[in-house]
Amino acid sequence: DIVMTQSPLSLPVTPGEPASISCRSSQSLVDINGYNYLNWYLQKPGQSPQLLIYLGSNRASGVPARFSGSESGTDFTLKISRVEAEDVGVYYCMQARQTPYTFGQGTKLELK
Amino acid sequence: QLQLEESGPGLVKPSETLSLTCTVSGGSMSSTSYHWGWVRQPPGKGLEWIGSIYYTGSTYYNPSLRSRVTLSVDLSNNQFSLRLRSVTAADTALYYCVLLYGSSTSPNFINWFDPWGPGTQVTVSS
Repeated sequence: DIVMTQSPLSLPVTPGEPASISCRSSQSLVDINGYNYLNWYLQKPGQSPQLLIYLGSNRASGVPARFSGSESGTDFTLKISRVEAEDVGVYYCMQARQTPYTFGQGTKLELK
Repeated sequence: QLQLEESGPGLVKPSETLSLTCTVSGGSMSSTSYHWGWVRQPPGKGLEWIGSIYYTGSTYYNPSLRSRVTLSVDLSNNQFSLRLRSVTAADTALYYCVLLYGSSTSPNFINWFDPWGPGTQVTVSS
């Protein structure tokens, strides 16, 4: 199985400040066309996970521009340029390169 | 716009079978790009993929659960279902159904999981 490792697991952030979450996969997630099959999800309190980023760096429909995803080999980063109150929740990375699809442990973002 | 909703018993006895159904509305289940899946989340823990099914009936299971899981699809009612046998307290979780959007019939190289259903809590207890 591909292991997804996130850091940090807890992230206190002051509103208006930037935030960054890292995710590392134990194997390459790239296909022959160069796409990384890595997604980012946000699970707000009491809600289902919602898609933020797909294929490593593409924002899903309706996701604010303050969210961005980047890739470097098997290292992936989710960045929030300026954290807002509505961004509170648990962020998960997930690989969909092959079954079994696997998630990171989750990063809990909270406001200072 | 596709919407998914889970339904089924919220309480299951140990050693019995957990059965859930996901109803899909707002579109057809038969797109060549659509796989239909289940993900669960134990209380206070992370997310675990259980398995997926293609509209043709092809299934893919997490090896950790394969011996106890069966997925099925009912295109006439726009539903797909999960059966998990011989449940224990460790199967207590919030169960989500979800659309897996891919570029082909293969379960590999799935572009994203979206949308998700609201989730249904299942507790295993006597």
